[in-house]
Amino acid sequence: KAGVTQTPRYLIKTRGQQVTLSCSPISGHRSVSWYQQTPGQGLQFLFEYFSETQRNKGNFPGRFSGRQFSNSRSEMNVSTLELGDSALYLCATRGGPGTDTQYFGPGTRLTVL
Amino acid sequence: ILNVEQSPQSLHVQEGDSTNFTCSFPSSNFYALHWYRWETAKSPEALFVMTLNGDEKKKGRISATLNTKEGYSYLYIKGSQPEDSATYLCAFTSGTYKYIFGTGTRLKVLA
Repeated sequence: KAGVTQTPRYLIKTRGQQVTLSCSPISGHRSVSWYQQTPGQGLQFLFEYFSETQRNKGNFPGRFSGRQFSNSRSEMNVSTLELGDSALYLCATRGGPGTDTQYFGPGTRLTVL
Repeated sequence: ILNVEQSPQSLHVQEGDSTNFTCSFPSSNFYALHWYRWETAKSPEALFVMTLNGDEKKKGRISATLNTKEGYSYLYIKGSQPEDSATYLCAFTSGTYKYIFGTGTRLKVLA
């Protein structure tokens, strides 16, 4: 079974630009969550999508948005990039809610100059 | 705001030592507690999911216990090996199914 894939793996942008990251879940997984990790911080939850609907949302500004397609693939968009958005962005997928284990992708390393 | 705390932040042990870390989480509205291992340049890998008070899980030399009434979980590694070097994360889920991660314990096992 193929794992979670994320593209691109690395990205360099400048302040004010926008960026779109993609996550393809394990086949059959309908839940996709996005996390941001910065040095010294734990994984900060951005949002979760399930069956094309946002089910949960973290405490991030509206510049961070996402969506999920009918094939469960998800995209995350960050508009008007700031230096502080430089981070590792991970997505994690699972088959169902609650106790099911999340499986993580390799992440996208975003650098904002 | 729900908070998950892990201690210590980092740990250096000698090969062959046994070690343990702590994860503290809210004791109300508990649904599950997850442990992950995150090696450098890899994705976080799930170790355990625990749901019941008193749960104990074991995977090789690694084991974990859960106390939902007082809101803590311990992760134990017996006879640490260099390949155990990683960051160990715990995550708490409540009834909303949102995962709240701790900042992790960074373990370095010296050969």
